[in-house]
Amino acid sequence: EDQVTQSPEALRLQEGESSSLNCSYTVSGLRGLFWYRQDPGKGPEFLFTLYSAGEEKEKERLKATLTKKESFLHITAPKPEDSATYLCAVKAGGNTPLVFGKGTRLSVIA
Amino acid sequence: DADVTQTPRNRITKTGKRIMLECSQTKGHDRMYWYRQDPGLGLRLIYYSFDVKDINKGEISDGYSVSRQAQAKFSLSLESAIPNQTALYFCATSDSRQNEKLFFGSGTQLSVL
Repeated sequence: EDQVTQSPEALRLQEGESSSLNCSYTVSGLRGLFWYRQDPGKGPEFLFTLYSAGEEKEKERLKATLTKKESFLHITAPKPEDSATYLCAVKAGGNTPLVFGKGTRLSVIA
Repeated sequence: DADVTQTPRNRITKTGKRIMLECSQTKGHDRMYWYRQDPGLGLRLIYYSFDVKDINKGEISDGYSVSRQAQAKFSLSLESAIPNQTALYFCATSDSRQNEKLFFGSGTQLSVL
């Protein structure tokens, strides 16, 4: 069974305090790993797709990396506007929908 | 205008009532999905449709039904609503020709009293 586990469940950072969110996965034939950002009461918004181990992608203060077992979302010098829930999802082989983790709720305090 | 539109945005109903949540999209995507989100439980897939003639159950389909009326429209029905169906519901779309990136609507907050 395909599974995605995100840690920590919640993370509180001071503005400027860099950190990383973790997404561990077990999937048969990874076809893609996705990161989404979700603001309270809104739908998730796409951030990144990673396809193979060693791949990295960046967007502003965010950088996503991928290994064969996990992905990290690194947040460099975060600002209060980075506060959100970050969701990880994996796409397995075959005609299967994405499997989501439960998310990490990030709070950045000024 | 939003590419994925959900109606209504909020709904309060009573136990036993039948209700329908609607989703329409202008993205031209072939695949559509219904998720529910509960605090601490993340996004859980209810039903998904890969084209107009294809409907599939997700992990929590009991108590729900769907209809894919057209490529652009996918509705979710609760035949007899119960309080534990109180949740935030999201519709999403994706394009099978691309990389399965999902695009979400703004959500429907449903409360069953």
